[in-house]
Amino acid sequence: DAGVIQSPRHEVTEMGQEVTLRCKPISGHNSLFWYRQTMMRGLELLIYFNNNVPIDDSGMPEDRFSAKMPNASFSTLKIQPSEPRDSAVYFCASSSRGVSHEQYFGPGTRLTVT
Amino acid sequence: AQSVTQLGSHVSVSEGALVLLRCNYSSSVPPYLFWYVQYPNQGLQLLLKYTSAATLVKGINGFEAEFKKSETSFHLTKPSAHMSDAAEYFCAVKGTDKLIFGTGTRLQVFP
Repeated sequence: DAGVIQSPRHEVTEMGQEVTLRCKPISGHNSLFWYRQTMMRGLELLIYFNNNVPIDDSGMPEDRFSAKMPNASFSTLKIQPSEPRDSAVYFCASSSRGVSHEQYFGPGTRLTVT
Repeated sequence: AQSVTQLGSHVSVSEGALVLLRCNYSSSVPPYLFWYVQYPNQGLQLLLKYTSAATLVKGINGFEAEFKKSETSFHLTKPSAHMSDAAEYFCAVKGTDKLIFGTGTRLQVFP
């Protein structure tokens, strides 16, 4: 299995621009999670989906952030407009809704907003 | 509600010394507990998990953790540290449909 795939791996953009991060979960997994990691705030859960439906988006910082999961094999996290404080590493993870809920993480997207 | 507390944001050991990373949990139901490791510039990787079977859980890279209900602890240990163990380690507990992560412990290994 290829694991969780994220693209791009690195993104550098200017303040005010739209940024779209992409994630392909492991085939057969029906839960998907978006995390943000910074030195100051550590690892934060932004939003998660079960069976393509958003369950909890309470971690989404503000309306500039949005996430979609149009099908079981693809999700996006969009920031519009981006700001320098959005600079972070964004991780996607997936899991099957089994007993242990073990999550498998992607390699992350390092976002820099100048 | 479930939660985990990792004691010590930084731990330093010499190569060959015992590694002990502390995690205490809070859970209203029998917990499922996890340790993840994050190497520099990589995503999190599962080290081991406890799912109410044996209380001593063995993971990858020589790590193990012991579930102690009386102490509400799930500490991670390795008898002999290696330079390649330098990383950040996260303890987590299963919540409703998601994992609740601790704040992480950065392990430094000195030669």
